[in-house]
Amino acid sequence: KNQVEQSPQSLIILEGKNCTLQCNYTVSPFSNLRWYKQDTGRGPVSLTIMTFSENTKSNGRYTATLDADTKQSSLHITASQLSDSASYICVVSPYSGGGADGLTFGKGTHLIIQP
Amino acid sequence: EPEVTQTPSHQVTQMGQEVILRCVPISNHLYFYWYRQILGQKVEFLVSFYNNEISEKSEIFDDQFSVERPDGSNFTLKIRSTKLEDSAMYFCASSESGSSYNSPLHFGNGTRLTVT
Repeated sequence: KNQVEQSPQSLIILEGKNCTLQCNYTVSPFSNLRWYKQDTGRGPVSLTIMTFSENTKSNGRYTATLDADTKQSSLHITASQLSDSASYICVVSPYSGGGADGLTFGKGTHLIIQP
Repeated sequence: EPEVTQTPSHQVTQMGQEVILRCVPISNHLYFYWYRQILGQKVEFLVSFYNNEISEKSEIFDDQFSVERPDGSNFTLKIRSTKLEDSAMYFCASSESGSSYNSPLHFGNGTRLTVT
């Protein structure tokens, strides 16, 4: 069964510090891996999308890495801000040859930035 | 920036009643989805919709659920006879192409369904 595991479950850091969130997946065959940010009570917002051939992708202070061999990804947040407080969700898409197929979501890492 | 809109933001209903959750996807998107998130749990896939028909559905999407695109802009999720365990946040999403391609999903802000 396709699964996505994230760690840590929750994380508290001080404003201005960096942090790294982890994602392991067993989805196969694999098409792409996405990181989403979900503020409390809101829908997820896309941060990055990476295919199996991409090792890293940045979006401002967010940098995602992917190792398709070990089926691991990380999301690094640089110089954290209070607005970064949210859940960060790793989402993996299986390859289906195209079409509108469902994604497999992780449970997310709940990040709290303290002033 | 165009966004996915969902109404209502909160729906309270009694067990056994029918509810319709409404969504207006982004206008040039072709793929539409419903997801749900039970409080404190992960987002779960319900159904995907393309070219006026269901492309894929999960085991959660049983006979009590149905989806419809009644006109060129709305996309609805109907739950025929709600159960207590249907209480969750329901998210609509849309994308330009299918999830196998590098097309981001755009989510609405959800409808919180409470079944009493």
